[in-house]
Amino acid sequence: NAGVTQTPKFQVLKTGQSMTLQCAQDMNHNSMYWYRQDPGMGLRLIYYSASEGTTDKGEVPNGYNVSRLNKREFSLRLESAAPSQTSVYFCASSDPRQGLYGYTFGSGTRLTVV
Amino acid sequence: AQRVTQPEKLLSVFKGAPVELKCNYSYSGSPELFWYVQYSRQRLQLLLRHISRESIKGFTADLNKGETSFHLKKPFAQEEDSAMYYCALRRSSASKIIFGSGTRLSIRP
Repeated sequence: NAGVTQTPKFQVLKTGQSMTLQCAQDMNHNSMYWYRQDPGMGLRLIYYSASEGTTDKGEVPNGYNVSRLNKREFSLRLESAAPSQTSVYFCASSDPRQGLYGYTFGSGTRLTVV
Repeated sequence: AQRVTQPEKLLSVFKGAPVELKCNYSYSGSPELFWYVQYSRQRLQLLLRHISRESIKGFTADLNKGETSFHLKKPFAQEEDSAMYYCALRRSSASKIIFGSGTRLSIRP
């Protein structure tokens, strides 16, 4: 039972490069989320998708774009990476029908922008 | 607006000592509250939920609506409890979760 799968696990980018972080879940959850985790700042929501076909901005959306490709997949794109985007990125999913259980998280992507 | 405050960035206690990780929230309604834990190099995982009033790995948390707090407690700390702990809130099961800034718990032998 894979749950939430993120790829890649690690990535180093040069300033200005672009990349896409992939996330897929196999739990038939409606909602998916992208967070970034920084020391002393906890987890901050970048974008989320309440259901297939919809996406909304979170607290820190600048510099990112997302695509909810289908119910399973929710990708995060950095068009022009900046050192301030060095962080650990977590994808999560949830479903109101299982709301009491909160989120299921992926294992994270550690991104370094030099 | 909803907010979750964890006032301690780091909490260090000796093995066998009691542990209390503080969490305060601001929300005018009746929120759902969670504690998540992240062990070293692992993904975040749900530790417990206020609605279930459960004890997981010896941890409990009681929702105090008067003080708007949801502190996490354990009477006797173990070395394997060393981890990052996040308190989290959401308005309803259909809403997104707001996380606190986290508290790193370090258990000394």
